Amino acid sequence: DGGITQSPKYLFRKEGQNVTLSCEQNLNHDAMYWYRQDPGQGLRLIYYSQIVNDFQKGDIAEGYSVSREKKESFPLTVTSAQKNPTAFYLCASSMGDRSPYGNRPQHFGDGTRLSIL
Amino acid sequence: GQQLNQSPQSMFIQEGEDVSMNCTSSSIFNTWLWYKQDPGEGPVLLIALYKAGELTSNGRLTAQFGITRKDSFLNISASIPSDVGIYFCAGRLRVQGAQKLVFGQGTRLTINP
Repeated sequence: DGGITQSPKYLFRKEGQNVTLSCEQNLNHDAMYWYRQDPGQGLRLIYYSQIVNDFQKGDIAEGYSVSREKKESFPLTVTSAQKNPTAFYLCASSMGDRSPYGNRPQHFGDGTRLSIL
Repeated sequence: GQQLNQSPQSMFIQEGEDVSMNCTSSSIFNTWLWYKQDPGEGPVLLIALYKAGELTSNGRLTAQFGITRKDSFLNISASIPSDVGIYFCAGRLRVQGAQKLVFGQGTRLTINP
């Protein structure tokens, strides 16, 4: 089945540690996105990528980094510079702006819950 | 920046009741999306709206894209226990050449059997 796979489901970070969250999609989507969700709040955009080897900062990029070396993969690294990393992280993908179907909705993975040890 | 005001924040209803929630903004959107999120999972798309004035149904769900393009509502008829969850609206607009999705704060729906 086509979809978006995020791993791990739960992740714990120690002080000063970088951790990487995985996001893989087999939907052949060009665009991929990372969102952060805090309790009782909507989703806030961290980074997005419209095409391989290109990505842009979202609204809350500080303390995070990404790469887009393959179309299927868009890993997110939560660095030690992110002082409040505890949140639910969601990855999404869509056909992207450059597609004739650029207005198609984003589809989400099942998320990774990151906590501090 | 762009903001969506989603209301109500929470609803407590009896099974079988109808539900209505809405999102408003001062910004104009070219697409409206409604998602449902269950605990510990990612949002699942319910309805997508692409044209001002569009009214779309998906089973017991009905959503409309406001004529001004600044608002949308979602109705759920004859609620059932599996409707419990958090409902998010999202509006899409073009910012600096890229499509951007802005999310509402969510409506938490609780159903008393």
